[in-house]
Amino acid sequence: GEDVEQSLFLSVREGDSSVINCTYTDSSSTYLYWYKQEPGAGLQLLTYIFSNMDMKQDQRLTVLLNKKDKHLSLRIADTQTGDSAIYFCAETPFTGGGNKLTFGTGTQLKVEL
Amino acid sequence: DTEVTQTPKHLVMGMTNKKSLKCEQHMGHRAMYWYKQKAKKPPELMFVYSYEKLSINESVPSRFSPECPNSSLLNLHLHALQPEDSALYLCASSQDGGGVETQYFGPGTRLLVL
Repeated sequence: GEDVEQSLFLSVREGDSSVINCTYTDSSSTYLYWYKQEPGAGLQLLTYIFSNMDMKQDQRLTVLLNKKDKHLSLRIADTQTGDSAIYFCAETPFTGGGNKLTFGTGTQLKVEL
Repeated sequence: DTEVTQTPKHLVMGMTNKKSLKCEQHMGHRAMYWYKQKAKKPPELMFVYSYEKLSINESVPSRFSPECPNSSLLNLHLHALQPEDSALYLCASSQDGGGVETQYFGPGTRLLVL
């Protein structure tokens, strides 16, 4: 089975950059995603990267993918208090008949003033 | 419009009750999903429908019964639940489930079983 690991907790000061890391094990993964979940809410898709890319930038978000090490990271520039949430990475190995997302354990980001 | 809606937002039910959760999307997606999420844990896949047919059942107990009456609607019928079934139930949709696609999630129904 696939295991997707993340560190449980990250605390940063407002205005600093945040880097959330994710390690996955399934080498057949084709897309890797970052979702954000605020307290009591559903999952909001932040960004995704195709497995043949190394980097993707989307405004304050930068995704880095090291396929050799199966390591994915999400960098949030100029972190704001509204960025406080749980961040899940997820991978999709193609299975056909409905793709299955395997989520990481989640990283709780706390942004302090 | 990338919105998936779910009703109700909160639900409290006894172990002998029968209730249903509803999910709706108007993005023209043909694949819809149910996930269960316990506190501080990642979502776990329960069911996948593709073109209104059940394509994946992750060995979910029969007290959970999914239904997809049309391509925009997904229901989850609940009967004789246990307190450990208390969780956030999330619905998601994607293009058609036939390849690698982005899933869009609803806000969830928070279920408490007494």
